[in-house]
Amino acid sequence: NAGVTQTPKFQVLKTGQSMTLQCAQDMNHEYMSWYRQDPGMGLRLIHYSVGAGITDQGEVPNGYNVSRSTTEDFPLRLLSAAPSQTSVYFCATYSRGLRDEQYFGPGTRLTVT
Amino acid sequence: QKEVEQDPGPLSVPEGAIVSLNCTYSNSAFQYFMWYRQYSRKGPELLMYTYSSGNKEDGRFTAQVDKSSKYISLFIRDSQPSDSATYLCAILGNQFYFGTGTSLTVIP
Repeated sequence: NAGVTQTPKFQVLKTGQSMTLQCAQDMNHEYMSWYRQDPGMGLRLIHYSVGAGITDQGEVPNGYNVSRSTTEDFPLRLLSAAPSQTSVYFCATYSRGLRDEQYFGPGTRLTVT
Repeated sequence: QKEVEQDPGPLSVPEGAIVSLNCTYSNSAFQYFMWYRQYSRKGPELLMYTYSSGNKEDGRFTAQVDKSSKYISLFIRDSQPSDSATYLCAILGNQFYFGTGTSLTVIP
């Protein structure tokens, strides 16, 4: 049981390049989300999904796309990277139940030059 | 107004001290309150979870919710160097709302 996995762990992009951050979970959780974490800003929600085929925008969606074709995978696409997207990105799944707990992946550190 | 506000610190205490971490929130309808711990270069992990008002204790950790003043607290007794981390409060409304985190260092 790997929980939530994210790849890559580190990435350096040049301005204008595109890439996909991968997120996978093996807990069969319906709810998945992407956050970015910046110093002094805390965790900010980018996009989330309440199930396969359903996605919605969070607080800071501009410059990012998501899709959810399966329960397990929730990739985040950067369409044209900008230095303002330099951040640490976390994927999380959510289990509604006794604890309403979010499980976070280990994060992807992205630098855009 | 942000849904949840947290003093960013940083906080530095000697080993064995009692630590108090605090957040305020804006919406009195919120009922699910959480504290996450995040070690350097790791993802956050759930530490404590409370529903509605009152206290919840788990070992050296106590989470407290005061709904009348919209104030949530995390107390750490007998703090240890291994408690050095960033602590984030979180609230579940129509989505999860996180505080900015308080960086804690426990000095041996």
